[in-house]
Amino acid sequence: AQSVTQLGSHVSVSEGALVLLRCNYSSSVPPYLFWYVQYPNQGLQLLLKYTTGATLVKGINGFEAEFKKSETSFHLTKPSAHMSDAAEYFCAVILMDSSYKLIFGSGTRLLVRP
Amino acid sequence: DVKVTQSSRYLVKRTGEKVFLECVQDMDHENMFWYRQDPGLGLRLIYFSYDVKMKEKGDIPEGYSVSREKKERFSLILESASTNQTSMYLCASSSQGGSTDTQYFGPGTRLTVL
Repeated sequence: AQSVTQLGSHVSVSEGALVLLRCNYSSSVPPYLFWYVQYPNQGLQLLLKYTTGATLVKGINGFEAEFKKSETSFHLTKPSAHMSDAAEYFCAVILMDSSYKLIFGSGTRLLVRP
Repeated sequence: DVKVTQSSRYLVKRTGEKVFLECVQDMDHENMFWYRQDPGLGLRLIYFSYDVKMKEKGDIPEGYSVSREKKERFSLILESASTNQTSMYLCASSSQGGSTDTQYFGPGTRLTVL
């Protein structure tokens, strides 16, 4: 069963435009939620994570994500895209019954047009 | 600064060869993971280890084995490499403070099996 769905394998925005990358999860119990970024030829780097508490989470490089339980979503946003944001972004969850295991979405490649 | 290193960035092997991929972390982490990354599929867990000499199968363990003789080192072994094992392999580690702990990733090894 698919636990994490990222809508859109590629998203293209203009420099300075809003970035919105979508992530939905399927779980009856809210999981722990993560966004990772992968720059070309590099490993993954944590952008932000939600475990408990405030549902709006701020991360590095101006990114933030909001956990919405009613929509089972954890979309990633940034008000103004920069050329350096071009990368692949992965949403991931840890389900409450899966201990240490991160389950990744299929990824969204963000393209930033000058 | 946290550091996960992988022995090779690029590797080319022939079908049937035995392949070793090495991963070393310097953070004294208990947990270590091996993933493979394929376009459109995100990251899929091959094996993980939560202690020295301990290992557990992930979602796609077939054709792979692992070894963890020392806390800082986690090796992935392809006993007889096949062309369908051509992929990017990522190692990660995390501390055992709970399932919210961040996984730190190495830069990856791009393996091509001819």
